[in-house]
Amino acid sequence: EIVLTQSPGTLSLSPGERATLSCRASQNVTDSYIAWYQQKPGQAPRPVIYGASNRATGIPARFSGSGSGTDFTLTISRLEPGDFALYYCQQSGSSPQTFGQGTKVEIK
Amino acid sequence: QVHLQESGPGVVKPSETLSLTCTVSGGAISSSDYYWGWVRQTPGKGLEWIGNIFYGGNTYYNPSLNSRLTISVDTSRNRFFLKLNSVTAADTAVYYCARQERWVHVFDYWGQGTLVTVSS
Repeated sequence: EIVLTQSPGTLSLSPGERATLSCRASQNVTDSYIAWYQQKPGQAPRPVIYGASNRATGIPARFSGSGSGTDFTLTISRLEPGDFALYYCQQSGSSPQTFGQGTKVEIK
Repeated sequence: QVHLQESGPGVVKPSETLSLTCTVSGGAISSSDYYWGWVRQTPGKGLEWIGNIFYGGNTYYNPSLNSRLTISVDTSRNRFFLKLNSVTAADTAVYYCARQERWVHVFDYWGQGTLVTVSS
């Protein structure tokens, strides 16, 4: 199984700052089947990025994804108040599908 | 707008079977463009993919749960189901049903989640 390791565990930033979240896979992720999800307390995860770099429906342009192989990045160019949340990466290129342990983006 | 809703008991006794239903509205479960899946979340293990089903009945299970797991579908009522037998406290989690796009693999719509506690 592919293990996804997200870093950092917590990112403390102020609104307007740039957030860079990392997701490293233990093996190559086939066809860049990496997705990123945002989760707020008491809510289900919401897709942000799929295919490593494609924004999901309704996601603003300040969110971007990049990477290939084993290293993937989610960048939020300028944090807005609604962006402070937990973010998970997920790979679906190999079975079983797996998720990272999450990065919490919190207000500094 | 697609909507998924989980339903089922909130408490299951150890060694018994956990059974959940996901009712889909706003979209046909018989679409060939989507898988229908279950994901669970615990504070300790985070998000865990349980398994998926395609409308024709093909199933894809997490090997860690495969021996205890059955996912099935009822296309006539636009619902799919999860059965996990021989549960233990480790199966206590929030269970989500979700739609997964067949070609790009993203889980694009999720249910609100339902907490299932395994306890006597």
